[in-house]
Amino acid sequence: AQSVTQLDSHVSVSEGTPVLLRCNYSSSYSPSLFWYVQHPNKGLQLLLKYTSAATLVKGINGFEAEFKKSETSFHLTKPSAHMSDAAEYFCVVSEKKGSQGNLIFGKGTKLSVKP
Amino acid sequence: IAGITQAPTSQILAAGRRMTLRCTQDMRHNAMYWYRQDLGLGLRLIHYSNTAGTTGKGEVPDGYSVSRANTDDFPLTLASAVPSQTSVYFCASSPPGLSNQPQHFGDGTRLSIL
Repeated sequence: AQSVTQLDSHVSVSEGTPVLLRCNYSSSYSPSLFWYVQHPNKGLQLLLKYTSAATLVKGINGFEAEFKKSETSFHLTKPSAHMSDAAEYFCVVSEKKGSQGNLIFGKGTKLSVKP
Repeated sequence: IAGITQAPTSQILAAGRRMTLRCTQDMRHNAMYWYRQDLGLGLRLIHYSNTAGTTGKGEVPDGYSVSRANTDDFPLTLASAVPSQTSVYFCASSPPGLSNQPQHFGDGTRLSIL
């Protein structure tokens, strides 16, 4: 069975500094992996997805993530944080259930950005 | 604007009452999902539907029921609400395909059971 672990429940960075949000997964076959962002009182928005093409995936708002099979990791990075990046981020692995994929969510990492 | 609409946006409900959360999508997606989000637990799948006329149980289905009479609507019903069902509920949908299709989410319903 698939699972996903987000290694930090809370990350705090200063504006203009790099962001690293860590995610490890377990999967019995080649997984599909996603990062979603959730701003306060909003639903989840897709940042990026990995589906066995390029291992370095670029997403919206300057975020990217690298799939490393040997490390079973899919860490999310951004070179320079912006105040608007403050939100909660979810790493997600897709589990094939019947003819459709169901998502297994990590418990989330809350990103704070200090001015 | 295409997307998912959830109603109500928030609700306070007495324990023992029946409540239906509404979800409508206009993207003609085959699959729809209901999740609950609780602090420190992330999102957990309650029920899903791969296509109109079919439904399935997720990780935490007890106390909830769903129906999928057509492609666009996927209501979630709490037959007799209990305080442990206090949560934020999200509806989502995804287009046809296998496990690599992302899901699109509504803005959620904040439900408090007293």
